[in-house]
Amino acid sequence: GQSLEQPSEVTAVEGAIVQINCTYQTSGFYGLSWYQQHDGGAPTFLSYNGLDGLEETGRFSSFLSRSDSYGYLLLQELQMKDSASYFCAVRGDYGQNFVFGPGTRLSVLP
Amino acid sequence: DTGVSQDPRHKITKRGQNVTFRCDPISEHNRLYWYRQTLGQGPEFLTYFQNEAQLEKSRLLSDRFSAERPKGSFSTLEIQRTEQGDSAMYLCASSSSEGGPSYGYTFGSGTRLTVV
Repeated sequence: GQSLEQPSEVTAVEGAIVQINCTYQTSGFYGLSWYQQHDGGAPTFLSYNGLDGLEETGRFSSFLSRSDSYGYLLLQELQMKDSASYFCAVRGDYGQNFVFGPGTRLSVLP
Repeated sequence: DTGVSQDPRHKITKRGQNVTFRCDPISEHNRLYWYRQTLGQGPEFLTYFQNEAQLEKSRLLSDRFSAERPKGSFSTLEIQRTEQGDSAMYLCASSSSEGGPSYGYTFGSGTRLTVV
């Protein structure tokens, strides 16, 4: 099976940088994804790391270390609209589905 | 394309009733997934279709749950004899086998089920 751990809440101020960590346990690893979900909204795909290292997409970056079973999402130049829940996800036992972590609620303060 | 559409957005039903939800995926996507999400938790995988074939089912999907995807287009998820524990947001997502995992899933806005 798979299990993922994330901090439940993170708070930061506008303009700051915040890092959301994710540790995972899985029998077979096929990549780590990140999703953003605003209250009442649909999860939205942010990034995918299949190999070790940093992937950058605008203000968001995601990092993976397969040897440490660890990844993080880095959000720079925080904006109020970044207040949302962020989920990491790994491929599940079934192959094509993703197993999601419990989520980290990010609050951006003015 | 308007993305993934789910209907209805909200459903309130009495315990013991049957309910059916519909999902219309992005037309070019051949893979379709159903997830369930409760408040403060991440989405939990229920089942997965590639075209019209249901290839994977979670053990969370009891025999009261059934899903179909006739003709490989829209999908329905039916819950029979609903229980209060079924109250949750039911999310549908789609993806293309051509794109690979780096493109992620596209989720719909979900159907919120409340069983009273």
